[in-house]
Amino acid sequence: AQSVTQLDSQVPVFEEAPVELRCNYSSSVSVYLFWYVQYPNQGLQLLLKYLSGSTLVKGINGFEAEFNKSQTSFHLRKPSVHISDTAEYFCAVTLNYGGATNKLIFGTGTLLAVQP
Amino acid sequence: EPEVTQTPSHQVTQMGQEVILRCVPISNHLYFYWYRQILGQKVEFLVSFYNNEISEKSEIFDDQFSVERPDGSNFTLKIRSTKLEDSAMYFCATSGGFFNEQFFGPGTRLTVL
Repeated sequence: AQSVTQLDSQVPVFEEAPVELRCNYSSSVSVYLFWYVQYPNQGLQLLLKYLSGSTLVKGINGFEAEFNKSQTSFHLRKPSVHISDTAEYFCAVTLNYGGATNKLIFGTGTLLAVQP
Repeated sequence: EPEVTQTPSHQVTQMGQEVILRCVPISNHLYFYWYRQILGQKVEFLVSFYNNEISEKSEIFDDQFSVERPDGSNFTLKIRSTKLEDSAMYFCATSGGFFNEQFFGPGTRLTVL
């Protein structure tokens, strides 16, 4: 069965410091990969996605992620965080095998807490 | 910017009661989804809906659950007889194509007492 693991439930970081949120997945078929962000009292918003091509993907708000097939990882990075980046971040996959499904499989989320 | 809306934002109900959660999709979207998140757990897929029928459902989506698009605009999730374990945040999502970005609503928090 497919699964997504976000080992860090919470990541505290000071403003303007770099941050990396980790995501690993397990799947017997190829996958598409996503990062979503959830600000307080709001829905999930897509940050970035990897479907194919370059393994380094740039998203909104200065975030980027790198797909590493050999390590089955899709870690999210930002070189300098702001207070406004404080939110819950979810890694997700959808299976890529002939269009049979497009449901998202989510990790448990990582709370990024940016401190002044 | 178009967005997905959900009503109510919070629903409190007694165990055994029926609830209907409503979602208004983005106007040209064709694919609709429900996900839920039990407090402290991961977001889980419930069901996807396309062309007025269910295209995929999870093992969570049993006979107590149903979905429909009654008037061509709202997309609803009905739970016929709620259980305590149905307490969760329910998210509606919609997309314009099969592998297009899924846009999520703000969620409905369901509390079953």
